[in-house]
Amino acid sequence: EAGVAQSPRYKIIEKRQSVAFWCNPISGHATLYWYQQILGQGPKLLIQFQNNGVVDDSQLPKDRFSAERLKGVDSTLKIQPAKLEDSAVYLCASALGVSNQPQHFGDGTRLSIL
Amino acid sequence: GESVGLHLPTLSVQEGDNSIINCAYSNSASDYFIWYKQESGKGPQFIIDIRSNMDKRQGQRVTVLLNKTVKHLSLQIAATQPGDSAVYFCAESPEYGNKLVFGAGTILRVKS
Repeated sequence: EAGVAQSPRYKIIEKRQSVAFWCNPISGHATLYWYQQILGQGPKLLIQFQNNGVVDDSQLPKDRFSAERLKGVDSTLKIQPAKLEDSAVYLCASALGVSNQPQHFGDGTRLSIL
Repeated sequence: GESVGLHLPTLSVQEGDNSIINCAYSNSASDYFIWYKQESGKGPQFIIDIRSNMDKRQGQRVTVLLNKTVKHLSLQIAATQPGDSAVYFCAESPEYGNKLVFGAGTILRVKS
């Protein structure tokens, strides 16, 4: 089966600019996650969707980050305005269900803020 | 586990030897645990998972051991190969909803 698709693979922007990332999960996976991975650290959850509803966005910096999952399939994550500390890899993952299911990750978008 | 930033612990093993990667988790209420392998420039790749009602689970060349008494998880890789070189992360799910909390990671280097 096709894996989780993410684009773009790389993005370089200046601080205070905006950026958007796109994710297409594995077909049939109801749950979708966005993670931030800073160099040398494990991924940190930003937001979790179940179909097109938000399950957990407690760690999403809502003053600058937003995410949506229209129609319960693809998702976009946006940052506006970007700060230097947002430089990281943004990973999307999907899972079949909501509990005790392995999450399958895409290869991420590497974001560099100048 | 807490992040150690860029100074990840490193395990170096000889090709063909067995590897054991350890992980201490933080939440005694966690009921699901998972190991991921991450190669440079790629996303984490699922290796094996285990539920809290088990203490051992085996896959192909890998075994996960869970000790809930001391909140410890380990990943054993048999006959380690150069392709096993990567960063390995353990993750725990502390509550219903499949939220994963990742540990800091361990670098595995396989010497030929």
